[in-house]
Amino acid sequence: LAKTTQPISMDSYEGQEVNITCSHNNIATNDYITWYQQFPSQGPRFIIQGYKTKVTNEVASLFIPADRKSSTLSLPRVSLSDTAVYYCLVGSSYNQGGKLIFGQGTELSVKP
Amino acid sequence: EAGVTQFPSHSVIEKGQTVTLRCDPISGHDNLYWYRRVMGKEIKFLLHFVKESKQDESGMPNNRFLAERTGGTYSTLKVQPAELEDSGVYFCASSQDYGGFYEQYFGPGTRLTVT
Repeated sequence: LAKTTQPISMDSYEGQEVNITCSHNNIATNDYITWYQQFPSQGPRFIIQGYKTKVTNEVASLFIPADRKSSTLSLPRVSLSDTAVYYCLVGSSYNQGGKLIFGQGTELSVKP
Repeated sequence: EAGVTQFPSHSVIEKGQTVTLRCDPISGHDNLYWYRRVMGKEIKFLLHFVKESKQDESGMPNNRFLAERTGGTYSTLKVQPAELEDSGVYFCASSQDYGGFYEQYFGPGTRLTVT
């Protein structure tokens, strides 16, 4: 199963763009890259998922280089409400069934 | 559309007692998952139901934990007898399909404290 490495914490200010990079050197061919967000006292929430190149939705963008050994979650113009833990997950139903495998995540703190 | 709900939100019990956690998935979601985070650790998978069948229970820590999903709707997770190390937050999630690794919808969690 692919292991992920991401920074434990990051600080930012309101209005800035935040980029969180995740390393996953042993990603398998079938694996997708998925990011979840978790606020205190809540369950994780799906943000975005991709396989390769770039994916964008109303919340974030996900950049995946050609070798897929890393990925970058980009949050445009963050606000205080974006303060949360962000998890990078790599896997597929082919390799691990339905279960999600969480790492330690990146604790993002947005300051005024 | 109602999200995943869990009951209770918080439970405090003594070591040796029994506790039952309940999860109501999003209507129509065949897949239901249980996860937990114990103090200072990462969120860990416990088990996965497809309708009423256990698809994967590889994460269940021991036989003190019993999960059921009668009728393929809500699920319960019983801990009997509870031990101190069972303290943590128990999350339930549901999804329509896990083929292609679709997103899972998580409930707010049940915080279990065993004293």
